[in-house]
Amino acid sequence: GQNIDQPTEMTATEGAIVQINCTYQTSGFNGLFWYQQHAGEAPTFLSYNVLDGLEEKGRFSSFLSRSKGYSYLLLKELQMKDSASYLCAHMDSNYQLIWGAGTKLIIKP
Amino acid sequence: IAGITQAPTSQILAAGRRMTLRCTQDMRHNAMYWYRQDLGLGLRLIHYSNTAGTTGKGEVPDGYSVSRANTDDFPLTLASAVPSQTSVYFCASSDLAGDVDTQYFGPGTRLTVL
Repeated sequence: GQNIDQPTEMTATEGAIVQINCTYQTSGFNGLFWYQQHAGEAPTFLSYNVLDGLEEKGRFSSFLSRSKGYSYLLLKELQMKDSASYLCAHMDSNYQLIWGAGTKLIIKP
Repeated sequence: IAGITQAPTSQILAAGRRMTLRCTQDMRHNAMYWYRQDLGLGLRLIHYSNTAGTTGKGEVPDGYSVSRANTDDFPLTLASAVPSQTSVYFCASSDLAGDVDTQYFGPGTRLTVL
């Protein structure tokens, strides 16, 4: 079957670094996506990994290990506006996205 | 460029009523999707369409129907609404011809069925 897990909630301090983990199980894999969703808004695309390794994009980086079924999103220099839910999703063999329930990130001053 | 629009923004509906949620995109994306999002659960795919004239069932299709008469529009119909269909509904689109099949989401429709 297919399964994807991420922590329900995390808290971090403004200016700090936080790592949000995501593990998945799938019979077919075509990439791992991270989306950001502010409360009451639509998800917006952050990053995509299809090969092992780290993809860096400004303050945000995403890592993938296909052999371990593991990804993380790293957020540096946290700002209050980074308070949001972060959604992990993998693309299965049918090119459909399978979504985790999301990690609510709370940033404290 | 508007991207993806959805209507209505929110709706309260009596159980048993028929309801159509509208979705329009102006990016000429060939694929479109309907998801529902419920507290504590990930986005769940209801129906999708890879190109105009074709549709497919997602993870939770029961009680919903879709049509794709053209590239831009992808309406979702609840034939006879039930309280368990209370949710936030997101429409999304993607360009399957691109290197990365990134999905872009509309603003959502918050539906309450009483």
